[in-house]
Amino acid sequence: GDSVTQMEGPVTLSEEAFLTINCTYTATGYPSLFWYVQYPGEGLQLLLKATKADDKGSNKGFEATYRKETTSFHLEKGSVQVSDSAVYFCALSDQGSYIPTFGRGTSLIVHP
Amino acid sequence: KAGVTQTPRYLIKTRGQQVTLSCSPISGHRSVSWYQQTPGQGLQFLFEYFSETQRNKGNFPGRFSGRQFSNSRSEMNVSTLELGDSALYLCASSLAAPTDTEAFFGQGTRLTVV
Repeated sequence: GDSVTQMEGPVTLSEEAFLTINCTYTATGYPSLFWYVQYPGEGLQLLLKATKADDKGSNKGFEATYRKETTSFHLEKGSVQVSDSAVYFCALSDQGSYIPTFGRGTSLIVHP
Repeated sequence: KAGVTQTPRYLIKTRGQQVTLSCSPISGHRSVSWYQQTPGQGLQFLFEYFSETQRNKGNFPGRFSGRQFSNSRSEMNVSTLELGDSALYLCASSLAAPTDTEAFFGQGTRLTVV
């Protein structure tokens, strides 16, 4: 079945550091890929998405590129801020499926 | 426009009791999904409703049930509560299928079973 594997956290960075959160997936078809973010005390919000190979999703300085050859969708940001502290979820939705598959989430802590 | 509203935000229940959680989706959204979030298991899919019909169901026991009303509002019910049911329960709404369009999540209901 479909699955998403994320790097375990927490990831702890200083402000303005470069961020990478790794995400790899297994899917039977040609999935769409997503990153969601959950701020403390909140629900999940869609951060970015990519629907086909080589697509790059971007939002709020975050980027992720759909790499079919390595089945990966790593999240990157060039310079993190304290306000980026949150839990980040990688997810996929396979063709014809109504149920997104989520990774376990990676906690990011950014120190001033 | 108003977001997804979940009530109540916090609940404390005793083992063996039952509980009902409510979710009001964004106006015009017909798909409502429910998830259980725990530190140990992460985010797990419970079920999805579309136009008052349960379209998909996750791997949870029959103690977990739900329904959707004609105005798309949804409720989930957990009977005979167990300590392990303590979790954050999230509801998400979307126009059609959660995988076809963006899913909007509520803030969740934090259920504590004692």
